[in-house]
Amino acid sequence: GENVEQHPSTLSVQEGDSAVIKCTYSDSASNYFPWYKQELGKGPQLIIDIRSNVGEKKDQRIAVTLNKTAKHFSLHITETQPEDSAVYFCAAHRSYQLTFGKGTKLSVIP
Amino acid sequence: ETGVTQTPRHLVMGMTNKKSLKCEQHLGHNAMYWYKQSAKKPLELMFVYNFKEQTENNSVPSRFSPECPNSSHLFLHLHTLQPEDSALYLCASSQGTGGQPQHFGDGTRLSIL
Repeated sequence: GENVEQHPSTLSVQEGDSAVIKCTYSDSASNYFPWYKQELGKGPQLIIDIRSNVGEKKDQRIAVTLNKTAKHFSLHITETQPEDSAVYFCAAHRSYQLTFGKGTKLSVIP
Repeated sequence: ETGVTQTPRHLVMGMTNKKSLKCEQHLGHNAMYWYKQSAKKPLELMFVYNFKEQTENNSVPSRFSPECPNSSHLFLHLHTLQPEDSALYLCASSQGTGGQPQHFGDGTRLSIL
């Protein structure tokens, strides 16, 4: 089955700096890659996604890049703000199955 | 404000009890999901319902029994649970039926004594 590795497990950045979270996947048939943000006491929230026919997607301060050849994808957050502090999950999807990474706890220091 | 509502938010039960978790979505979505979230582990898919028909059972023990009476409501019936079943149980929904959850509820925190 699919295996998704996510790094780092924790990340601290100063407010205003950029944050990058990286994921790798094992199954080349995976074709959809969402990212979720989970705040304390809340459920995961879909924040951005990318499909395998696209290399990059941007939505305001967040962007996702996909390298199909290397089987890795990344989340980029620019101009980080304290409200960006949360746990972020990547996932890879194929054949009705969505496999999640273990998550990255992002802390933005004011 | 989430379009997926889960009740109760917290539940403590003994191993011999029977309880049910409830999920309701107000988004008109066609698919609903149960996930288990444990510390230090990735989210685990438990069950999927598309148009209120179960399409996925991810090798979940029979002490967990799902029910989907209509496309807006989903239940998880619990009986004779084990301590390792303590976790956050998340419900999700999606417009499409391809196994890509779009909206999650805030979960039920379950503790087994």
